[in-house]
Amino acid sequence: AQSVTQLDSQVPVFEEAPVELRCNYSSSVSVYLFWYVQYPNQGLQLLLKYLSGSTLVKGINGFEAEFNKSQTSFHLRKPSVHISDTAEYFCAVSWRNEKLTFGTGTRLTIIP
Amino acid sequence: EAGVTQSPTHLIKTRGQQATLRCSPISGHTSVYWYQQALGLGLQFLLWYDEGEERNRGNFPPRFSGRQFPNYSSELNVNALELEDSALYLCASSLFLTGTGASNQPQHFGDGTRLSIL
Repeated sequence: AQSVTQLDSQVPVFEEAPVELRCNYSSSVSVYLFWYVQYPNQGLQLLLKYLSGSTLVKGINGFEAEFNKSQTSFHLRKPSVHISDTAEYFCAVSWRNEKLTFGTGTRLTIIP
Repeated sequence: EAGVTQSPTHLIKTRGQQATLRCSPISGHTSVYWYQQALGLGLQFLLWYDEGEERNRGNFPPRFSGRQFPNYSSELNVNALELEDSALYLCASSLFLTGTGASNQPQHFGDGTRLSIL
């Protein structure tokens, strides 16, 4: 079975600085990878997804992620964060007909 | 297009009672998922329904159950409520495609039902 590890439970970043949220997965087969964002008191919203093809995936709100098969990683990046990016970010993996497996989440705090 | 809707928004119960949570998926989505998000425990998978059938179940006791109706809406029932059942319960829906299933389909989430056990 696949699993997802988000190494950082909390990441504080100054406004307009770049950020990288790390995600590693374990699976011996090809996987589908997703990043979701959860704003306070809301459900999760899809940021971006990797199904196949180009390893650099662009999502909403200026986020992007790079799929690295050799390192089994799917790190999320943004070159310049804004106060409105304060939220919890979840990495998730699935494959074939399996259910989606979520990481434990990373809480991104933007410091003015 | 209407998103995933969940009701009620908040639900307060006491220990031993039963709770029913409801979810309406996005039109055209046949798969419905339930998750529990308790403080400090992340997002825990509860149940996955598609076309009225239970496709997968997370590691939860049998007092957590659900069903999916012919219109693809779903109910989550929690019997004999315990204090640790206090959490945000999230419902999500997705397409289920012939041949590829739902695993490569993004899930769309509702805003959840916050269940508080007193």
